Amino acid sequence: EMQLVESGGGLVQPGGSLRLSCAASGFTFSTYWMTWVRQAPGKGLEWVANIKHDGSGNNYVDSVKGRFTISRDNTKNSVYLQMNSLRAEDTAIYYCARAARNMDVWGKGTTVTVSS
Amino acid sequence: QSALTQPASVSGSLGQSIAISCTGTSSDVGGYSLVSWYQQHPGKAPKLMIYEVSKRPSGSSNRFSGSKSGNTASLTISGLQAEDEADYYCSSYTTSSTVVFGGGTKLTVL
Repeated sequence: EMQLVESGGGLVQPGGSLRLSCAASGFTFSTYWMTWVRQAPGKGLEWVANIKHDGSGNNYVDSVKGRFTISRDNTKNSVYLQMNSLRAEDTAIYYCARAARNMDVWGKGTTVTVSS
Repeated sequence: QSALTQPASVSGSLGQSIAISCTGTSSDVGGYSLVSWYQQHPGKAPKLMIYEVSKRPSGSSNRFSGSKSGNTASLTISGLQAEDEADYYCSSYTTSSTVVFGGGTKLTVL
């Protein structure tokens, strides 16, 4: 069974940092782009970033450029999202998803709350 | 990177058909055949229902269909069932090599 499990969420103060992880299983992880999508409380989905299957390329939404970094370790079947300089508006459920455009496998999400 | 435009809500009766529109620009919806649709029930992760405008992944009901004309894509759900009540989001690849979502549409089944 294909599965994605996110972890690393929590409560952090404005200006702080957090690193999210997403562990994949049930498919050949190293052949897929991976994506992070977030959803603020009561709001819609927002695409955040994606990373090429071999880690050689990535893309970000403008609002996180320079603050967030997506990376992956194909030996550990995992993708990461390093989040720095966090703001209140980054508060959301963060989902990990398989593929770059047609996101066909999703994790259950991890919650990030940015508050003092 | 402006969000695609979807109606905030639509409703339909059991057994009827409804359509949800998704309007973008020539830099996203109109420029590529890379529109996807996702269904999200409360408290759950999104589920891919349609990809590449009109293709259905395995596990997606054939009551769901997609189309596109110019800068506007549409999701049609036929034979509405109670379990179709959910939020629906469109997304599109963009000329910036990013992905943009619509604001979401809440479907109510009467």
